[in-house]
Amino acid sequence: EAQVTQNPRYLITVTGKKLTVTCSQNMNHEYMSWYRQDPGLGLRQIYYSMNVEVTDKGDVPEGYKVSRKEKRNFPLILESPSPNQTSLYFCASSLGGAAGNTIYFGEGSWLTVV
Amino acid sequence: QKEVEQNSGPLSVPEGAIASLNCTYSDRGSQSFFWYRQYSGKSPELIMFIYSNGDKEDGRFTAQLNKASQYVSLLIRDSQPSDSATYLCAVNSPGNMLTFGGGTRLMVKP
Repeated sequence: EAQVTQNPRYLITVTGKKLTVTCSQNMNHEYMSWYRQDPGLGLRQIYYSMNVEVTDKGDVPEGYKVSRKEKRNFPLILESPSPNQTSLYFCASSLGGAAGNTIYFGEGSWLTVV
Repeated sequence: QKEVEQNSGPLSVPEGAIASLNCTYSDRGSQSFFWYRQYSGKSPELIMFIYSNGDKEDGRFTAQLNKASQYVSLLIRDSQPSDSATYLCAVNSPGNMLTFGGGTRLMVKP
């Protein structure tokens, strides 16, 4: 089954404690991205990657890091989480970029920073 | 800053009516336009995409694009209670950035 898998799905953490949200896709997709979703603000792109070792900033990259060492994985790293990073996070992938390709979303990760 | 604007709603329509959802975007270089449906607590799912000016129909859904006015809309005919969800407009610009609007919450009342 084609899917994008994120972990953890739910996490409560404390300010400043580094955390990583993993994302893996089994569709051999080149394009992967991370979004955060906040009430009234829709989905905002954090980072995206067109291929292995190629990453670019989205609209709201501050406070986040990503890496793309393997095609299937695209982890999101919060080096020093702060309460304003409390949000719902989605990982997504598609075959070849956002234009004209179906984007598959993971189930989302609810992150609370206290 | 590329912007995609939607009325947050809620838009309330009776069952069987036509629901009309609207979206405007700021980047004239935008090339592809998408409508996603998102149920509460779930991930977005693609309903339709449109590239060219005019209408595109898929079942009960029709997407309309007017690039001159920088306007894209989604019509849902014969609305059903199961259509109650938040509808997200997304716009793709050169560089493969996908920008989402804030979403419109649709409520279809039996």
